[in-house]
Amino acid sequence: GQNIDQPTEMTATEGAIVQINCTYQTSGFNGLFWYQQHAGEAPTFLSYNVLDGLEEKGRFSSFLSRSKGYSYLLLKELQMKDSASYLCAVTTVSGGYNKLIFGAGTRLAVHP
Amino acid sequence: DADVTQTPRNRITKTGKRIMLECSQTKGHDRMYWYRQDPGLGLRLIYYSFDVKDINKGEISDGYSVSRQAQAKFSLSLESAIPNQTALYFCATSRPTGTPIGEFFGPGTRLTVL
Repeated sequence: GQNIDQPTEMTATEGAIVQINCTYQTSGFNGLFWYQQHAGEAPTFLSYNVLDGLEEKGRFSSFLSRSKGYSYLLLKELQMKDSASYLCAVTTVSGGYNKLIFGAGTRLAVHP
Repeated sequence: DADVTQTPRNRITKTGKRIMLECSQTKGHDRMYWYRQDPGLGLRLIYYSFDVKDINKGEISDGYSVSRQAQAKFSLSLESAIPNQTALYFCATSRPTGTPIGEFFGPGTRLTVL
């Protein structure tokens, strides 16, 4: 079956670094996405990993290990506006097309 | 202007009523999707469409139907709404081929069924 696990909630301090982990078990893996979602709003794209290793984009980095079925999102120099849910989503190939399967999301609270 | 729009943004209805949620996009994408989001469950795919003549069921299609009126329009209908269909509904679009670039989401429709 398909399964994606990530912590339900995390808290961190403004200016600090936080790592949000995601483990997955899927068939036909074809990449992993991280989305940010503020309460009541649409998810917005943060990063995409298809090869093992670290992808860095400003304050955000995402890492993937395909052999371990593991990814993390690293947020540096946390700001209050980073308080949001972070969704891990795995792309699987099913019926000839790339289908996204979402984890339940990690709600991050950044406090002063 | 928003690339993916949804109407209405909020709707309260009663059990048994027929409801239509509409989605329009100006991104020129062929693929469109309907998801629902419930607390603690993440986003779940209801239906998806690769083009006007292609409609496919997602993991939770029971109780829902869709219509792809044009490349830019994809509607979701609840023929007879029930309270457990209370949720946040998102429309999304994506490009068809090549490296997956993820899906672009509309602003969401908050539906409450009483």
